[in-house]
Amino acid sequence: DTAVSQTPKYLVTQMGNDKSIKCEQNLGHDTMYWYKQDSKKFLKIMFSYNNKELIINETVPNRFSPKSPDKAHLNLHINSLELGDSAVYFCASSQEGNTEAFFGQGTRLTVV
Amino acid sequence: DAKTTQPPSMDCAEGRAANLPCNHSTISGNEYVYWYRQIHSQGPQYIIHGLKNNETNEMASLIITEDRKSSTLILPHATLRDTAVYYCIVRVAWLKPLVFGKGTRLSVIA
Repeated sequence: DTAVSQTPKYLVTQMGNDKSIKCEQNLGHDTMYWYKQDSKKFLKIMFSYNNKELIINETVPNRFSPKSPDKAHLNLHINSLELGDSAVYFCASSQEGNTEAFFGQGTRLTVV
Repeated sequence: DAKTTQPPSMDCAEGRAANLPCNHSTISGNEYVYWYRQIHSQGPQYIIHGLKNNETNEMASLIITEDRKSSTLILPHATLRDTAVYYCIVRVAWLKPLVFGKGTRLSVIA
């Protein structure tokens, strides 16, 4: 079983569309994250949720809205997609007191 | 969190030990040193972490200098599958997210 799974793996969409990426973890962790990796391969934290509460929002445009329906899920909804949103988005999870974070396989978003 | 400095790239012959250095001269007393790697567009993978003492697990060894201003990740017998970008990260607490730098691109050569 995959520990952190993201869907879809690939997403191609037109500018101006709204899309969602889903993330689920089956590790029982209480903290989940979204990272963005751009074309230059820099991995940047976007959001961090602990027990369904937003604890970090790293100056991400408000077109990006994370939603955590429960501790096992953290979905990312993006409104009015722009060309610059093209990137690979990684979801991750970790547990209080445990220092290892687990990452999903990534979602490659291409905006055309 | 303290800043880290790593060489942008390194080569290693297959079967030999790969020694990846990291400088973290501004590290504070309660900050841990973590190592992750990313194999060609996959999600980052945890390798090892430590505070003061040297650490070893099934994947690697972590050597931290006595003053804690630098560390070395050692892959004892590198294989082609160890080709990846290796990230050294300094971090205070579990609640803070991992902050990735540019890392070191390790190429293991047959």
